[in-house]
Amino acid sequence: AAGVIQSPRHLIKEKRETATLKCYPIPRHDTVYWYQQGPGQDPQFLISFYEKMQSDKGSIPDRFSAQQFSDYHSELNMSSLELGDSALYFCASSLDRDHEQYFGPGTRLTVT
Amino acid sequence: AQKVTQAQTEISVVEKEDVTLDCVYETRDTTYYLFWYKQPPSGELVFLIRRNSFDEQNEISGRYSWNFQKSTSSFNFTITASQVVDSAVYFCALSDNNNDMRFGAGTRLTVKP
Repeated sequence: AAGVIQSPRHLIKEKRETATLKCYPIPRHDTVYWYQQGPGQDPQFLISFYEKMQSDKGSIPDRFSAQQFSDYHSELNMSSLELGDSALYFCASSLDRDHEQYFGPGTRLTVT
Repeated sequence: AQKVTQAQTEISVVEKEDVTLDCVYETRDTTYYLFWYKQPPSGELVFLIRRNSFDEQNEISGRYSWNFQKSTSSFNFTITASQVVDSAVYFCALSDNNNDMRFGAGTRLTVKP
């Protein structure tokens, strides 16, 4: 069965650079969620989208922005990267807001 | 405020032992969802179960079983006859609207051969 696709899987950036993470949800899933998992931490909810509109907002820094496109894929844009942004970034998708979330493999971002 | 507590940071068992991972939650909402996810060493998060607050029936899926008790705000997860492949970090999570999931700190389970 098709799963959530995230690209790239690994990304290395320097401080103050920008990064764009992409997420392709499971086909027919219209809801996308972004989470950040720091080393040894639990995943923290950043933001979600339902039918291309922002649905819910968590602990997303102002330096980050995200959107969901007409084909339901989503992009997380991160600017002025800091060392503390080094983490595993997960995207999850669900059939709609009433169904369980399935996670992608994650993008490991390293900021040096 | 929502909170999920997984008091067991690490558990180590020998293969074929049964093991129970504890999860205690706090929420003021009457409608909420509880989840368990598995994160193997490869890093991905694997969905195991979702339970809504109105369904207190326990569930069994193969070697996995879950015990949901609203009276004690607990949603414990038991693996029977553990196997080495069960070694992973297990997260319990809570959501009041199926959107913003609040995860516990996770329990690292090591199953030794």
